[in-house]
Amino acid sequence: DTAVSQTPKYLVTQMGNDKSIKCEQNLGHDTMYWYKQDSKKFLKIMFSYNNKELIINETVPNRFSPKSPDKAHLNLHINSLELGDSAVYFCASSQLAGDPLEQYFGPGTRLTVT
Amino acid sequence: AQSVTQLDSHVSVSEGTPVLLRCNYSSSYSPSLFWYVQHPNKGLQLLLKYTSAATLVKGINGFEAEFKKSETSFHLTKPSAHMSDAAEYFCVLNTGGFKTIFGAGTRLFVKA
Repeated sequence: DTAVSQTPKYLVTQMGNDKSIKCEQNLGHDTMYWYKQDSKKFLKIMFSYNNKELIINETVPNRFSPKSPDKAHLNLHINSLELGDSAVYFCASSQLAGDPLEQYFGPGTRLTVT
Repeated sequence: AQSVTQLDSHVSVSEGTPVLLRCNYSSSYSPSLFWYVQHPNKGLQLLLKYTSAATLVKGINGFEAEFKKSETSFHLTKPSAHMSDAAEYFCVLNTGGFKTIFGAGTRLFVKA
């Protein structure tokens, strides 16, 4: 059984388009995250939701909008895609913050903007 | 300020020889530290974690790490490398709350 799943796995699109990436977790976790991994493999947190409430919002262009319809889902919508948005996007989940904050990651979505 | 530094961007070892991946951290609070592994085109998998119990932590696939507060280090080791260990390894810091800080990653190459 997949713990954290993402769709699609690959996404190729043109500049200026709007696209969404979906994430679902079946672990019963309260907290979900979106990370961006660039071409140099550097991972940076973008957003975090706890019980559908936004708790972390790093310096991310407002073209990126997360949406959490329920605790098990955290979707990422991107407007007006740019070349620099090309990256692998990882969704993750964890229990409430605490000791330790062990995160479970999805397989990633490779976004290519042409 | 909280930070994580992985001292080597890549490490190359021969199969059957020991592995050492180095990680230093900076934190004003008691840290939780993790090592994650990422195989090519895969998501991240937790290898091991340090909370505040034993300073020597054992993880999956024969990996272990030792928390040394005096050296602010959390190096990852394995006695004998296997070809399947070739991957990217991330050292991760959490100082409470929801935010975690990832190191830049160390690519491990294993030669036959």
